[in-house]
Amino acid sequence: SQTIHQWPATLVQPVGSPLSLECTVEGTSNPNLYWYRQAAGRGLQLLFYSVGIGQISSEVPQNLSASRPQDRQFILSSKKLLLSDSGFYLCAWSRGGRTDTQYFGPGTRLTVL
Amino acid sequence: KNQVEQSPQSLIILEGKNCTLQCNYTVSPFSNLRWYKQDTGRGPVSLTIMTFSENTKSNGRYTATLDADTKQSSLHITASQLSDSASYICVVSPNYGGATNKLIFGTGTLLAVQP
Repeated sequence: SQTIHQWPATLVQPVGSPLSLECTVEGTSNPNLYWYRQAAGRGLQLLFYSVGIGQISSEVPQNLSASRPQDRQFILSSKKLLLSDSGFYLCAWSRGGRTDTQYFGPGTRLTVL
Repeated sequence: KNQVEQSPQSLIILEGKNCTLQCNYTVSPFSNLRWYKQDTGRGPVSLTIMTFSENTKSNGRYTATLDADTKQSSLHITASQLSDSASYICVVSPNYGGATNKLIFGTGTLLAVQP
């Protein structure tokens, strides 16, 4: 069976500090991978998606970047965090195609102070 | 503009009662609609998925309906349990083609089931 991991589960960082959130998927190969941010009272916002190693598409201009160094590893980064980067970050994977389901990880709660 | 709107924003019901959550969307062209359940502080979990040609789909005590003509969906929960307390998110996938599945999320209905 497939599993998706995210770490850390929670993170408190000062403004201006760097960020690295990691997501890994087990039990499947060549998945589509996604990073979302969920702000309180708002729907999930797609930040990045990837259909393969080194292939990253950005959905919204922002202070964040993503990388996919391995087939089942997806990393979300920032060089300098802003207060507005606080939120709940979710990684998801899917097998590809328009009707397949996205499976979400447990999420990382990021608080920027 | 592609949007997904859900109502009510929040709902409190007693254990054992039924409830119905609503979803209206303006996404076009339409590929499929999903309902996710998200426990507090956790990632969403898929409950149902319906394509254009399907008008009902069940998953245990959860039954989703879809009216593609009026662009409305509902999620009916039967005999609610305390564990049903969660946010229920309606998600629509536009039919843009290609290999990726870009989803449009509603803001969710927060359901609280009380004993």
